[in-house]
Amino acid sequence: QQQVKQSPQSLIVQKGGIPIINCAYENTAFDYFPWYQQFPGKGPALLIAIRPDVSEKKEGRFTISFNKSAKQFSLHIMDSQPGDSATYFCAASMEETSGSRLTFGEGTQLTVNP
Amino acid sequence: DTAVSQTPKYLVTQMGNDKSIKCEQNLGHDTMYWYKQDSKKFLKIMFSYNNKELIINETVPNRFSPKSPDKAHLNLHINSLELGDSAVYFCASSRGGPMLPQYFGPGTRLLVL
Repeated sequence: QQQVKQSPQSLIVQKGGIPIINCAYENTAFDYFPWYQQFPGKGPALLIAIRPDVSEKKEGRFTISFNKSAKQFSLHIMDSQPGDSATYFCAASMEETSGSRLTFGEGTQLTVNP
Repeated sequence: DTAVSQTPKYLVTQMGNDKSIKCEQNLGHDTMYWYKQDSKKFLKIMFSYNNKELIINETVPNRFSPKSPDKAHLNLHINSLELGDSAVYFCASSRGGPMLPQYFGPGTRLLVL
C-alpha cells in the first residue's frame, strides 16, 4: 500500500516557470514532511521540510504548502532554472523511538528548459 | 570530505553469487540506513541501525543481512543474488531522533546478470 502518493510523474517547464509537485498521504500519524532532490547518478539530498503545525514554509526559491485537513502538501519552485532539473521526492515520517523511517513518494522528474 | 561514502560504486555479478556493499559516514551520526531504489526510481527503506542496534527491518528477504561494526559503518551483505536484486542501493545517516535530515551516499549500482 503506497502511503505517500506523488504527482505528476514528470513535468516540463520553461525557465522562469513555477513547477508545482503534489503529494498526498494517508497515515495521520505522519508528522514530518521533507522534500528531497536527486540529480542523475547522485544520492537524494534534503531540499526543504515542514511539520504539520505550519501551512507554508519558504527557503529561497522553494516553498512547501501544507494542508493538514486534506492530507496534502506540495512543492513550488519559483523562477525555475535549468539547474533545477532533477527528480524530486516527497516523503513523510513519524516520531519513532530513534531514527526516522522515511516513506517516499514515487518521484517527479522535472525538466526546466532554457 | 565525503560525508557518506559507499563502495563499490558499481557492482556487476552473476545470479547466485554473494556480494557486500560497504558504507561509512564521517558526520558523527548514530543512525544509519539502507534504501533500495528500483528501476522506476522508487525509494524504499530496507534497514536502519542506531548505535549498532537494528531498529528498522522492513520486509526484506533474509538473503539481505546488514552488519554494523561501529556507529560509523553499516555494511550490507547479499546472499544468492537474484535478477530482481538489480537496483541502486543507498546508504544514509542521520542523528538519532525523528524529524532530522538524512544524508545519503552516492549509491551502489548493482546489476545481477
